[in-house]
Amino acid sequence: DQQVKQNSPSLSVQEGRISILNCDYTNSMFDYFLWYKKYPAEGPTFLISISSIKDKNEDGRFTVFLNKSAKHLSLHIVPSQPGDSAVYFCAASGTTSGTYKYIFGTGTRLKVLA
Amino acid sequence: NAGVTQTPKFQVLKTGQSMTLQCAQDMNHEYMSWYRQDPGMGLRLIHYSVGAGITDQGEVPNGYNVSRSTTEDFPLRLLSAAPSQTSVYFCASSYRFRDKPPGNTIYFGEGSWLTVV
Repeated sequence: DQQVKQNSPSLSVQEGRISILNCDYTNSMFDYFLWYKKYPAEGPTFLISISSIKDKNEDGRFTVFLNKSAKHLSLHIVPSQPGDSAVYFCAASGTTSGTYKYIFGTGTRLKVLA
Repeated sequence: NAGVTQTPKFQVLKTGQSMTLQCAQDMNHEYMSWYRQDPGMGLRLIHYSVGAGITDQGEVPNGYNVSRSTTEDFPLRLLSAAPSQTSVYFCASSYRFRDKPPGNTIYFGEGSWLTVV
């Protein structure tokens, strides 16, 4: 049973436009969420995170939104750049419950067209 | 500044053979974990550890063993390799949440490509 889901396997966006990547989770014990970016033949690298006490976190061109009632988070990239082309994974963990497992989604491949 | 180091980077095994993927971190992280990445399946957690001497199963633990005798090392053992274990394996580490405020992240190694024939 997939606890973290990314329902869009791929997304193509024109350079300069907004990219929106979505993630849904089912476990209500999750209270900390992260986004990772992965290039081919490399390990995933951290992008941005959000705690459940917030509904928005911003870092430069990247903003993550969290809707706890819908168990949904999204990553916005504005403006999108060709270097953003990669696979993006969302991940979730239950920090206060002591569940240190980080569960990842299936990933969304973003292609930014020049 | 090595971070998370995995060896080997590439390995071909025959069905039934055993091997160990090595993982070491030099950041004094207590949390370590192993993931496998397969097409369409994302990153799936195999096993994890919250400290030396403590390990637990993740989402797909069958066919794999782990141990954590030191804070730095977290090897992953395949006892009898099967073609279904052909995958890319990633080791990751992190501080425990109670040791760090929110904003904590996990750090990944560069991956180990394993093919079982």
